[in-house]
Amino acid sequence: GDSVTQMEGPVTLSEEAFLTINCTYTATGYPSLFWYVQYPGEGLQLLLKATKADDKGSNKGFEATYRKETTSFHLEKGSVQVSDSAVYFCALLQNQGGKLIFGQGTELSVKP
Amino acid sequence: ETGVTQTPRHLVMGMTNKKSLKCEQHLGHNAMYWYKQSAKKPLELMFVYNFKEQTENNSVPSRFSPECPNSSHLFLHLHTLQPEDSALYLCASSQDYGWGNIQYFGAGTRLSVL
Repeated sequence: GDSVTQMEGPVTLSEEAFLTINCTYTATGYPSLFWYVQYPGEGLQLLLKATKADDKGSNKGFEATYRKETTSFHLEKGSVQVSDSAVYFCALLQNQGGKLIFGQGTELSVKP
Repeated sequence: ETGVTQTPRHLVMGMTNKKSLKCEQHLGHNAMYWYKQSAKKPLELMFVYNFKEQTENNSVPSRFSPECPNSSHLFLHLHTLQPEDSALYLCASSQDYGWGNIQYFGAGTRLSVL
């Protein structure tokens, strides 16, 4: 079945460091891809999305490109801040059936 | 503020109690969802309602009973739970159910079963 695999955390970075969180997926057809973020004590917030191959989603300095050839949707940010500390979830939305399937989440901790 | 409100935010209950979780969305959406988030595990989809009709039940034990009286409200009734049911329960909604429909989440109810 369809699945999403994320790099394991926790990831610890210093402020202003470059961030990459890897995400790969397995799916039939052409899913939409998402990154959600969960700040401590809160629910999931949509961070960015991409609906077709080569689309780049971006928001708040984060970006990710839908790579069909490598079935990947890696999250990047050029300079992280302490306020970016959270758990990041990669997810795919099936184009048949409509289920949203999540990776296990990657915890990011940014130190001053 | 995502437009999806869950109450209560925290709940502690004994195994013999009966309680209910409430979700309300103010987005005019037609589909609503319950997810379970346990430590170290991916989010698990529990139930899906589309236009008040249940369309998905992912083999959830009968001690969890959903109710969707209208497209804006979703409940999860709990009875005789087990300690392993302790988790964060998230509600979400989307315009409709299916491809292209972005899901918006509430802040969740943190449930502890003693």
